[in-house]
Amino acid sequence: EVQLLESGGGLVQPGGSLRLPCAASGFTFNSHALSWVRQAPGKGLEWVSAIPPGGDKSWYADSVKGRFTISRDNSKNTLYLQMNSLRAEDTALYYCARSPQGLSWYFDLWGRGTLVTVSS
Amino acid sequence: DIQMTQSPSSLSASVGDRVTITCRASQGISNFLAWYQQKPGKVPKLLIYAASSLQSGVPSRFSGSGSGTDFTLTISSLQPEDVATYYCQKYNTFPWAFGQGTKVEIK
Repeated sequence: EVQLLESGGGLVQPGGSLRLPCAASGFTFNSHALSWVRQAPGKGLEWVSAIPPGGDKSWYADSVKGRFTISRDNSKNTLYLQMNSLRAEDTALYYCARSPQGLSWYFDLWGRGTLVTVSS
Repeated sequence: DIQMTQSPSSLSASVGDRVTITCRASQGISNFLAWYQQKPGKVPKLLIYAASSLQSGVPSRFSGSGSGTDFTLTISSLQPEDVATYYCQKYNTFPWAFGQGTKVEIK
């Protein structure tokens, strides 16, 4: 089955860190760019970070730049988001999303999401 | 950065009605626009890419049009299962950005 499965979410204190893995299956992982998209409770979608198939570049939204790091391990078919210096406004459901082959940066496959709550 | 503005923010229509949602970019983005449907409590689903290309498996009552700065998503005959929030997304250049969403309800 073609799918993305996020994990690693939970409750963390402000200033804390969390690492989110996203395990992929059912498709050629190293042929697709991947992104993280988040959705705060009751709010809209916000693109967070993206990485191309080879993992040689990365892009970040201004809201997370310098605090979050995206990476991928193509040998393990897994995408990661390292989140440091977390703030209350980072509370959201974090989705892993796949772009189709050819570096068109829309998202044709989404995971179910993992919830990150930043609170003391 | 390019901003994406959707209108209306919400709408209520009857089953069978033609529904149109608009997305406007603050600068031209050619046809690098996608539309997503998010049903309550569910994961976003790709409907349209390249402004007017229907994603495989999406019902033909959904269509997209536009280029440059102005885009529309049309549902030709609204069905009960179309109750959802719809988002546009531009992807011509970094940073990729979503519109704020349009909530569609049945009257």
